[in-house]
Amino acid sequence: AQSVTQPDIHITVSEGASLELRCNYSYGATPYLFWYVQSPGQGLQLLLKYFSGDTLVQGIKGFEAEFKRSQSSFNLRKPSVHWSDAAEYFCAVGGGNTGFQKLVFGTGTRLLVSP
Amino acid sequence: EAGVVQSPRYKIIEKKQPVAFWCNPISGHNTLYWYLQNLGQGPELLIRYENEEAVDDSQLPKDRFSAERLKGVDSTLKIQPAELGDSAVYLCASSGTSGTFLDEQFFGPGTRLTVL
Repeated sequence: AQSVTQPDIHITVSEGASLELRCNYSYGATPYLFWYVQSPGQGLQLLLKYFSGDTLVQGIKGFEAEFKRSQSSFNLRKPSVHWSDAAEYFCAVGGGNTGFQKLVFGTGTRLLVSP
Repeated sequence: EAGVVQSPRYKIIEKKQPVAFWCNPISGHNTLYWYLQNLGQGPELLIRYENEEAVDDSQLPKDRFSAERLKGVDSTLKIQPAELGDSAVYLCASSGTSGTFLDEQFFGPGTRLTVL
C-alpha cells in the first residue's frame, strides 16, 4: 500500500526567503504525486501534481516540485515566500488500479512566515 | 462556479447523540468523497461515490457511520451514536467524470465536529 512521509511538522521561514518542504513516498509502481495547501477555514487546494514526464513540475502561486525516483521524494519549493503562504501543506500519493482513484495524504507541514 | 458546499461548518454535540453532515458537490461532478481529518493528521478517505453508488467504503466504520448520496448529487454522512474519538474535521470533495487522477479533487471547507 502507498504511504507518504512529511518529516517536518513545522517550518518557519522569513518572508522573502526560499522554501523547501520535504515529502517521501512509498509506492510499488510509478506514483501519482500531489501537493495541497490548506489555509485556516479553507478547503484543501491543489498546488501541483506529477503524473509522468518532466520531473520538475510547476504549480500555482509560484510553487514547483521535483520528482526524484531514486530518492522516492517529491519536495515542494518556492524561491521567495510571501506572508500569505502561511498554511498547512500536504503531500499525497495516488495509486491503485486503473480508474480507481485513492489519495493517501501525509501528516502535513505547517509553514509559519516571519516578518 | 460555486465550490463544494458543506454544512454545518461547526457542530458540538454530547456523546451518544446522532449527528449528520451535508455536502453539495460541484455541479456535474460524478465522484464524491468523504474524508476524516484528525487533528495534526492528513485527510483519510472514508467513502467514495460514483454517482449514487458507493464504490469504496472500506474505511467507513459501519457500526456507527452511514452515508448516502441520493440521486447522485448531494450526500449526507451520519454518525449514530457519536463517540468522543469522533471529534475531527469531516471533509467532502468532488471530482469530474473520469473517476481517475486526471480529474482534480475539489475540497469543501469541512465540518468541525466536537463531541463532549
